[in-house]
Amino acid sequence: EAGVAQSPRYKIIEKRQSVAFWCNPISGHATLYWYQQILGQGPKLLIQFQNNGVVDDSQLPKDRFSAERLKGVDSTLKIQPAKLEDSAVYLCASSRAGGTGRADTQYFGPGTRLTVL
Amino acid sequence: AQSVAQPEDQVNVAEGNPLTVKCTYSVSGNPYLFWYVQYPNRGLQFLLKYITGDNLVKGSYGFEAEFNKSQTSFHLKKPSALVSDSALYFCAVRDGGATNKLIFGTGTLLAVQP
Repeated sequence: EAGVAQSPRYKIIEKRQSVAFWCNPISGHATLYWYQQILGQGPKLLIQFQNNGVVDDSQLPKDRFSAERLKGVDSTLKIQPAKLEDSAVYLCASSRAGGTGRADTQYFGPGTRLTVL
Repeated sequence: AQSVAQPEDQVNVAEGNPLTVKCTYSVSGNPYLFWYVQYPNRGLQFLLKYITGDNLVKGSYGFEAEFNKSQTSFHLKKPSALVSDSALYFCAVRDGGATNKLIFGTGTLLAVQP
């Protein structure tokens, strides 16, 4: 089966500009995640969707970050305006279910490397 | 709060030798533990997970991990390292709440010398 798709792979912008990332999960996966991975650190969850509803966005900087998953399939993550500290790799992942109960495996896309100058 | 620690920033091993990448965890309740590998400019690839049952978990590419409840460890192992195993390895634990959120360690860079 096809994996998680993300675009673009690389993006360079200046601070205060806006940027958007796109993710298409594995077909049939109900849960979609956006993680931020800063250089030298492990990924950190920004937001989790189950179908088209938000399950957890407690670590999403809502003053500048937004995300949506219309129709419960693909998703976009937006940053507006960007700051220097937003430079990171943005990873999208999906899992078959993802709610309570056993731990579903999350499958990751290749990521989008964002550089904010 | 759930957490994992990877005490080594880098592990060096000669090709053909056994390798171990260490991970310790701190959880309330049952631990659900994962290992992922990340190659340069690539996303994370799933290697294996422990949910319950046998303490020795076998995964992809010949890797295995040993769950040790008394030592709260989940070390990744491989009997014979390959140069192509050189990559960044992440241990993760499922958050104990209602979500499936993963809490990742800081990663260990594995360097296998020919």
